[in-house]
Amino acid sequence: NAGVTQTPKFRILKIGQSMTLQCAQDMNHNYMYWYRQDPGMGLKLIYYSVGAGITDKGEVPNGYNVSRSTTEDFPLRLELAAPSQTSVYFCASSEGNNYGYTFGSGTRLTVV
Amino acid sequence: QQQVKQSPQSLIVQKGGISIINCAYENTAFDYFPWYQQFPGKGPALLIAIRPDVSEKKEGRFTISFNKSAKQFSLHIMDSQPGDSATYFCAAYGSGNTGKLIFGQGTTLQVKP
Repeated sequence: NAGVTQTPKFRILKIGQSMTLQCAQDMNHNYMYWYRQDPGMGLKLIYYSVGAGITDKGEVPNGYNVSRSTTEDFPLRLELAAPSQTSVYFCASSEGNNYGYTFGSGTRLTVV
Repeated sequence: QQQVKQSPQSLIVQKGGISIINCAYENTAFDYFPWYQQFPGKGPALLIAIRPDVSEKKEGRFTISFNKSAKQFSLHIMDSQPGDSATYFCAAYGSGNTGKLIFGQGTTLQVKP
């Protein structure tokens, strides 16, 4: 039972490059989320999804895109990387309202 | 109205002492309040959670106290141990049918041996 799996764990990007952060869960959770965590700033919601084919913006969506073609996968796309996107990215899933999240182990991204 | 304010930002406690972290919210529609524990290099993990129909919930050395009228809740860690050293986040469920958690800013706890 893997829970929430994020890949890669670490990545260095050059300004203007693109990449996709992968997230997969095996708990059949409908709800999935992407957060970024900056030092001392807590967790900021980027995008979320309440089911396959349904996505919506969170608090800080600019510079990111998502898709949800299956229940299991929720990839996060960075199209034109900028230094401001240097952060640790966490994917999470839950059963729905009023249930706790299960987080992945994170992707540490540096944009230089 | 969607904010959750957490304090203190950092906390140092001696081994065996009590660690107390406080959170306050404004949205009365919040009805689920979890706490997460995060160790360095790891994702946050659910520690304990409470719903507003009870004033206290205890799991081992961890207790949530909830004051609905004051719109405040707190985490108490009794007999704090060095292994409790971590960052703690309070959270609350936002309104609507999206299951979005609103997180506090986090508290970095250091328990000295």
